[in-house]
Amino acid sequence: GNSVTQMEGPVTLSEEAFLTINCTYTATGYPSLFWYVQYPGEGLQLLLKATKADDKGSNKGFEATYRKETTSFHLEKGSVQVSDSAVYFCALFMDTGRRALTFGSGTRLQVQP
Amino acid sequence: NAGVTQTPKFQVLKTGQSMTLQCAQDMNHEYMSWYRQDPGMGLRLIHYSVGAGITDQGEVPNGYNVSRSTTEDFPLRLLSAAPSQTSVYFCASSSLAGGGETQYFGPGTRLLVL
Repeated sequence: GNSVTQMEGPVTLSEEAFLTINCTYTATGYPSLFWYVQYPGEGLQLLLKATKADDKGSNKGFEATYRKETTSFHLEKGSVQVSDSAVYFCALFMDTGRRALTFGSGTRLQVQP
Repeated sequence: NAGVTQTPKFQVLKTGQSMTLQCAQDMNHEYMSWYRQDPGMGLRLIHYSVGAGITDQGEVPNGYNVSRSTTEDFPLRLLSAAPSQTSVYFCASSSLAGGGETQYFGPGTRLLVL
């Protein structure tokens, strides 16, 4: 079946540090890939997505590139802010079968001033 | 435009009690789903629906029932609550015309079963 593996958290960084959160996937077929963000006490918000190999999704300074050869979709940001503190979920979507998202376990990011 | 709404925000139940978690969307989306979120496990699919009158099981359906009598509403019923159902529940919806991949989430219902 399909699965998503994320790096374990929590990740603690100082403000303006570089962020990488690793995500790899297993899927039969060609999924679309997503990063969702969950701020404390809130629901999930779509952060960025990529629908085919070599696509780069970007939003709010975050980027991730769909790498088919390494089955990865790592999230990066050049300079994090305290307001980026949240839980980040990597997910994949197949447009067949259940048409549901398969999520990774989430990575908590804590940015210190 | 309210998007996806869920009620209640928080609920405490005793083992064996039943309850219904409400979910509504005003975007005319065909696809709706329920997930549960547990620490260290991400979100897991409970049930989903591709339109009014059509529902199907997800990854963890046991102990839950759903129905879809209208496009807007997709309630989740716990028939006899168990402590293992303590979790945060999220409802989501998407448009199948767009492929269904961009899913919009509600704010969640936090459930504690004692």
